[in-house]
Amino acid sequence: GQSLEQPSEVTAVEGAIVQINCTYQTSGFYGLSWYQQHDGGAPTFLSYNALDGLEETGRFSSFLSRSDSYGYLLLQELQMKDSASYFCAVSGYSTLTFGKGTMLLVSP
Amino acid sequence: ETGVTQSPTHLIKTRGQQVTLRCSSQSGHNTVSWYQQALGQGPQFIFQYYREEENGRGNFPPRFSGLQFPNYSSELNVNALELDDSALYLCASTLDRGDEKLFFGSGTQLSVL
Repeated sequence: GQSLEQPSEVTAVEGAIVQINCTYQTSGFYGLSWYQQHDGGAPTFLSYNALDGLEETGRFSSFLSRSDSYGYLLLQELQMKDSASYFCAVSGYSTLTFGKGTMLLVSP
Repeated sequence: ETGVTQSPTHLIKTRGQQVTLRCSSQSGHNTVSWYQQALGQGPQFIFQYYREEENGRGNFPPRFSGLQFPNYSSELNVNALELDDSALYLCASTLDRGDEKLFFGSGTQLSVL
């Protein structure tokens, strides 16, 4: 089976940097993805890491350490619109297992 | 806008009934997967279809079944509805089976009374 742990809630102010951690236990691992979901909206793909290291896409970066079964999403220059839930997800063979999500609240 | 559409957006059913939810994938995407998302939880994988055949299944009972059609549309059928089936049902399509970038629809909110 697969299980993922991520913090339930994180708060930050506009312009700050925030890191959302994700640890996982899995019987089969292809990679780690991150999705953003606004209230009442569809999850939106942010990033995918199959190999160790940092992937950068604009203000968002994602990191993976396969040996530590650990990854994180780094959000820089936070904006109010970044207030949303963030999910890490582990890819197995023809499966995708999501964590319970981290609610990010950005205040002025 | 992902190009993935789901219908209906909301649905109310009673326990024991059957329901069919529909999804139209982004054009050209040959793989579709379905997820159940309870309030305050992450999406849970139900199953995946690739070129009209089930290609992977999560921990859901057989009363959850699906179909994928050649025109990129798909269905999720749930028989003998239970109260715990109340959730947001999301479909997601990908260009191909090994593609990691999922395009989600906005979901169908199902309430079972």
